Amino acid sequence: GENVEQHPSTLSVQEGDSAVIKCTYSDSASNYFPWYKQELGKRPQLIIDIRSNVGEKKDQRIAVTLNKTAKHFSLHITETQPEDSAVYFCAASFGTLDGSQGNLIFGKGTKLSVKP
Amino acid sequence: DTEVTQTPKHLVMGMTNKKSLKCEQHMGHRAMYWYKQKAKKPPELMFVYSYEKLSINESVPSRFSPECPNSSLLNLHLHALQPEDSALYLCASSLKPQGGSGANVLTFGAGSRLTVL
Repeated sequence: GENVEQHPSTLSVQEGDSAVIKCTYSDSASNYFPWYKQELGKRPQLIIDIRSNVGEKKDQRIAVTLNKTAKHFSLHITETQPEDSAVYFCAASFGTLDGSQGNLIFGKGTKLSVKP
Repeated sequence: DTEVTQTPKHLVMGMTNKKSLKCEQHMGHRAMYWYKQKAKKPPELMFVYSYEKLSINESVPSRFSPECPNSSLLNLHLHALQPEDSALYLCASSLKPQGGSGANVLTFGAGSRLTVL
């Protein structure tokens, strides 16, 4: 089955710096890669996603890149702010041999701390 | 309505109790999910309902029993739980099931925090 590795597990940056979180996946049939942000005590919320037919997607200060050949995707946050502090989870949606639905497999999460 | 609503927000129960967690969405989503999340861990998939039918059960113990009465409601019935079942239980929904070319965005509820004494 699919396996998603996420690094680093913790990341501390100064306000205004950039943050990069990387994930690798094992199933080459995976085709959907969302990123979720979870603040302490709150629900995971989708912040950006990318599908396998696209190499990069950007939304204001957040961007995601996908390298299908290497089977890795990354989250880039520029001009970080204290409110970006949270746990970020990457995920991959895998395909199945019989064509039935796959489901999201999450990475272990990255705790991002942005220091003012 | 663009939310997934879960009740109760907090639940404390003994190991002999029977309780239920409820989840509701009115976005017309046809796939609904239960996830379990322990502290500092990612959500772990428990069950998937696709078009009101149970399509995935990720080897969850029988003391957890899901139910999907209709396309808007999802329940998780709890019986004879163990202290290690204490966790945040997240409900989620998507327009249609994940996977393939039609993969869709997962919307999570705020969760029900369960404590088993």
